[in-house]
Amino acid sequence: AQKITQTQPGMFVQEKEAVTLDCTYDTSDPSYGLFWYKQPSSGEMIFLIYQGSYDQQNATEGRYSLNFQKARKSANLVISASQLGDSAMYFCAMVGSNDYKLSFGAGTTVTVRA
Amino acid sequence: EAQVTQNPRYLITVTGKKLTVTCSQNMNHEYMSWYRQDPGLGLRQIYYSMNVEVTDKGDVPEGYKVSRKEKRNFPLILESPSPNQTSLYFCATRRASGGAVSYGYTFGSGTRLTVV
Repeated sequence: AQKITQTQPGMFVQEKEAVTLDCTYDTSDPSYGLFWYKQPSSGEMIFLIYQGSYDQQNATEGRYSLNFQKARKSANLVISASQLGDSAMYFCAMVGSNDYKLSFGAGTTVTVRA
Repeated sequence: EAQVTQNPRYLITVTGKKLTVTCSQNMNHEYMSWYRQDPGLGLRQIYYSMNVEVTDKGDVPEGYKVSRKEKRNFPLILESPSPNQTSLYFCATRRASGGAVSYGYTFGSGTRLTVV
């Protein structure tokens, strides 16, 4: 079974600054995938970025990057140059190689201030 | 366009009145799943299905039923809803992958259910 921990319920960030969202995980699967999703106030789940456990490099997608530290079991999301539209809930999630279930953390609410 | 269609988007109902939330996908995905989202708890899996006529319980199945008679449809049934089932519900699908973890999930738009 997978467990995801997001310890920051809410964060404030100034527009144009970077913000790091913490995510730690626990799994016994030898291979796994880590995902980050954004949920704006409208409610839909928007896929941001993916990191495989055997990927050698940290994933990047535009202003999003994933700081993957396998030994520490952490997969922090970094949003650079924050924009007002980044205000949302962010979820860290993972799936193991032994089943298809996507397990989620509790989420972090990010509020970007002008 | 690849999509997962959930209906309704919003629903207010009374305790005990049976309801069904529909989920339909056009991607021929084998795996379909229902989640509920509650503040501070993230998304928790209710039920999932690996293929037609194959369903199984997730982490919080009590009070819910599902069926998978066709590959594209995976309805969530609340036989006798109670106020503690007030939540935001998501249907999610993905390809079967034989152990590969990189396949993405496609989510429906969500259903906000209020039981009074």
